[in-house]
Formats: sequence, structure tokens, C-alpha cells
Amino acid sequence: SQQGEEDPQALSIQEGENATMNCSYKTSINNLQWYRQNSGRGLVHLILIRSNEREKHSGRLRVTLDTSKKSSSLLITASRAADTASYFCARRSGTYKYIFGTGTRLKVLA
Amino acid sequence: DVKVTQSSRYLVKRTGEKVFLECVQDMDHENMFWYRQDPGLGLRLIYFSYDVKMKEKGDIPEGYSVSREKKERFSLILESASTNQTSMYLCASSLWGVGGNTEAFFGQGTRLTVV
Repeated sequence: SQQGEEDPQALSIQEGENATMNCSYKTSINNLQWYRQNSGRGLVHLILIRSNEREKHSGRLRVTLDTSKKSSSLLITASRAADTASYFCARRSGTYKYIFGTGTRLKVLA
Repeated sequence: DVKVTQSSRYLVKRTGEKVFLECVQDMDHENMFWYRQDPGLGLRLIYFSYDVKMKEKGDIPEGYSVSREKKERFSLILESASTNQTSMYLCASSLWGVGGNTEAFFGQGTRLTVV
């Protein structure tokens, strides 16, 4: 399969805790992106990290990329109930297709 | 803000019907995509288009066709709907972008049920 794999498949944490999700992939990339999907809705782009970058921040989000291990992680700090959603990584090789993983379902308990 | 609009949120069709799912984007994006999303399988690419009248098969094109007559509109067609095409369908668009360093913008999704 060309798809990436997110780990864990599901994660349940308390409000205020940090949430870490991991993504692995198999082929070379131009960039890796993270998206969020609220239940029954479309996906929303969160952050893009290029293949020559190792870490990137956006608000409470921190993304790392290790191209030697073909893996990325998304850290959400000080999580809130509103962060409850599914999170997907997507890799892009070339200028066309976005190839998505299977997602991590995050539940933040108030 | 970029807006990607799918014509229906929910759709119920009968087996054997021809089904049209419409998607319109308002930001002059070159690329448009159709994905289907099923539990445990993530998003799988059905077709994509990088220009008007241009289309490429994705990973699961069987049973589907597409049409892109105008830059802003990308239609997904189920030639003869079957129950195994019951799914959430997601349309997306993106700019071309140097090195592909651009994000995808998604519509709200169409949940199709074939009975």
C-alpha cells in the first residue's frame, strides 16, 4: 500500500495533557502534511513540513520529520475538548497526489 | 478563504442508478481530487485532474468516471451504483505549487448510501 500509517489508531487523554501521534511512510517525499477531520466533515489542513525541515511549530502544534526513518510526529500541547477529531498525515511526492494515512482518532476528555 | 463546495451532504440512491457528485472550487486551483473514505481504510484516491479536460486514475478508479469541463468544477460519476460504493466521498483542490508544497482544501463531504 502507498498509504502512510498513523500510530496509534485511537488515543484518549484528559484535557490539558499533550497528545502525540506518529506517521510512517515508505517512499521518498517532497513534504509531509497533517490534517484534521471533525466527525462527518471534510479535512482541514494544519501544517506542512518540507523534506529538508526537521521541526515546525504552529500555535499548540509541533511537527517533527525524520526522513532517515521515514516518520513524522504531531504533538498537540495542552489539549482541549475541541481538539477531539481524527488526524491524518498526508505525503506528497511529485506535484499531484496527496496520499493519506489511515488516521488517529483523538478523544480529549473534559 | 478558499471554498470547496460539494453539491450534497447526504445522498441515497438505488442500485444500478447513475449518480453524479458535483464539486466546485472558487480559488482557481489547477488540481482537483476525488477521494472516498471508509472506516479503517483512510482516504483513497479515486481520480484527480491537473487541468481542464485532463484526468488521471487514482488508486481505486473502477466503477467511477470523472469530468472536468471547466476549471472550477470536477464531477464524479458512478456509472451504475452498487452497494459497495456506499461511502463518504470527499472532493479537494490545490494549487500546482513548486515542488508540490501546497495544501489541499476539502469540501464538506457527501455521504452516499446505495440501497
